[in-house]
Amino acid sequence: RKEVEQDPGPFNVPEGATVAFNCTYSNSASQSFFWYRQDCRKEPKLLMSVYSSGNEDGRFTAQLNRASQYISLLIRDSKLSDSATYLCVVPSTSGTYKYIFGTGTRLKVLA
Amino acid sequence: DARVTQTPRDKVTEMGQEVTMRCQPILGHNTVFWYRQTMMQGLELLAYFRNRAPLDDSGMPKDRFSAEMPDATLATLKIQPSEPRDSAVYFCASGLGDYGNTGELFFGEGSRLTVL
Repeated sequence: RKEVEQDPGPFNVPEGATVAFNCTYSNSASQSFFWYRQDCRKEPKLLMSVYSSGNEDGRFTAQLNRASQYISLLIRDSKLSDSATYLCVVPSTSGTYKYIFGTGTRLKVLA
Repeated sequence: DARVTQTPRDKVTEMGQEVTMRCQPILGHNTVFWYRQTMMQGLELLAYFRNRAPLDDSGMPKDRFSAEMPDATLATLKIQPSEPRDSAVYFCASGLGDYGNTGELFFGEGSRLTVL
């Protein structure tokens, strides 16, 4: 199993829609997870951390399912400006401080 | 505003030439990462350092790539000789990697390398 896997998309959704992405991981001992956002031709930037109790920030909700080893990102009331690639990040199975990025899920919000 | 600084932003070179990319991490950050991004592979971890010591460079082709941190304010990634397949965007990122604290990574704007 790959350390981290994401559906590459693209997800094309209308403005105002709710969209969710999942990301599966293989390291069952992982404690911390993250979602990063990357705009076209820009660097990745942290969107939110994923806690065991879940994390909500405005229209964005991140959740962790340890039993099935996946994290999710839910975006409510999608805006045009949400169009980007969303990368999940998990600690590697081989090395402390080593972060593995998923290949990203591309979201396009349509007017 | 503290930020990671990378140079050059864009580099076009001929196959066989040496390429050196530089990164200034955020002051006080003790972990530094080099990633390579291509359309096909996404973000691949090449090497990372903690307190300037290399912890892992298993993602790096050893025969042509080398990564160093000569001091706390400078990380370098060198490719010699460069090949067309090295064409990619190379990102440097820094963070605070205390044990149990897998905090945020701050990325530079990247160095876009094209090897002809």
